[in-house]
Amino acid sequence: GAGVSQSPSNKVTEKGKDVELRCDPISGHTALYWYRQSLGQGLEFLIYFQGNSAPDKSGLPSDRFSAERTGGSVSTLTIQRTQQEDSAVYLCASSLAWTGVQDEETQYFGPGTRLLVL
Amino acid sequence: AQKVTQAQTEISVVEKEDVTLDCVYETRDTTYYLFWYKQPPSGELVFLIRRNSFDEQNEISGRYSWNFQKSTSSFNFTITASQVVDSAVYFCALSEAQWGNQFYFGTGTSLTVIP
Repeated sequence: GAGVSQSPSNKVTEKGKDVELRCDPISGHTALYWYRQSLGQGLEFLIYFQGNSAPDKSGLPSDRFSAERTGGSVSTLTIQRTQQEDSAVYLCASSLAWTGVQDEETQYFGPGTRLLVL
Repeated sequence: AQKVTQAQTEISVVEKEDVTLDCVYETRDTTYYLFWYKQPPSGELVFLIRRNSFDEQNEISGRYSWNFQKSTSSFNFTITASQVVDSAVYFCALSEAQWGNQFYFGTGTSLTVIP
């Protein structure tokens, strides 16, 4: 597809279950970003990948959260033992690169995954 | 203390008016990045601009312009001749030092442009 896609679009899960969220970036984009937006915490940045590597994982809210990217393309955000406070919209974005050139760093966002933990 | 302050929670303007959205940040780093994002009612985030701390040149893109002033730690965003399609929540953000590290969003300013 032409844009960033995320799946599932909606996910309802029970507290304590694990969930996996997927992001397909725009083809050729080497940089990938995860954010989340919740009523309680507002908009938060979670993690950034350059290629398959994440320079810093300190933005992840807890050790229940992990993210990986393989083949420089698809990324998955995994939340283990979900809690109600994990309920949020999880947003993924990609950009061509992180080079200092404005046009190459423009981020394109996916529609998000709405996660509800009951 | 808030790293990024967007003091204006909600703004309403009449179409064709100019409007400035304020953003004040706080950092001790000499290298940092500032961002603006737009979130229209549809909910999908739109990246608008990234500015690094070494480039204080003002940026203009069509009806949008950004005024970066290190002396006042501000990165304000002006929309000229506002249009109804500009109605959205606008977020300012700061990334300190290395990208991917220490990233802070403001609480957003909700802009309503009245036809």
